[in-house]
Amino acid sequence: EAQVTQNPRYLITVTGKKLTVTCSQNMNHEYMSWYRQDPGLGLRQIYYSMNVEVTDKGDVPEGYKVSRKEKRNFPLILESPSPNQTSLYFCASSFRWTTQGEQYFGPGTRLTVT
Amino acid sequence: ILNVEQSPQSLHVQEGDSTNFTCSFPSSNFYALHWYRWETAKSPEALFVMTLNGDEKKKGQISATLNTKEGYSYLYIKGSQPEDSATYLCAHIKAAGNKLTFGGGTRVLVKP
Repeated sequence: EAQVTQNPRYLITVTGKKLTVTCSQNMNHEYMSWYRQDPGLGLRQIYYSMNVEVTDKGDVPEGYKVSRKEKRNFPLILESPSPNQTSLYFCASSFRWTTQGEQYFGPGTRLTVT
Repeated sequence: ILNVEQSPQSLHVQEGDSTNFTCSFPSSNFYALHWYRWETAKSPEALFVMTLNGDEKKKGQISATLNTKEGYSYLYIKGSQPEDSATYLCAHIKAAGNKLTFGGGTRVLVKP
């Protein structure tokens, strides 16, 4: 089944404790992206990647890191999480790096930082 | 402040009625517009990708139009059904860009 998977789905952590949210797609998509969703602010793009070893900042990259060492994986790293990073996170992928292709979203990761 | 605006933020529709809502985006800088449907407790799912002025797309009873010169897109739902209840998101991509900017969404509730 073609899909985007994220792990974990739910995470409660404490300020400053490094964490990684994994994202994997099995559709051989070139373009991958991370978003956060906050009430009243819509979906905001954190980072995106057009292909292996090619990543760039979205609109809200502060406090996050990403890497794209393999085409299928695009982990999101929070080196020192803070409470303002409490949010619902989505990973998405798209076949075409030009972003004309539709985005396929993962199931979401709900993160709470206390 | 979102520069991609959707209106209204929410609307209630009686089953069987038709409805439409708007996505506004900067007309001076356009590459593509996406529409997504987002049901509660699920992930957003793509409805349409629109790239050309005058584009019209249709999927079942849902259709969309695009006006890049004036910077808006309409989404129409004909004969709304309870299963059409969802938040509808649009996303704008600037010319030659790779970033998507989402609007805040229109939450549609179809009452039986």
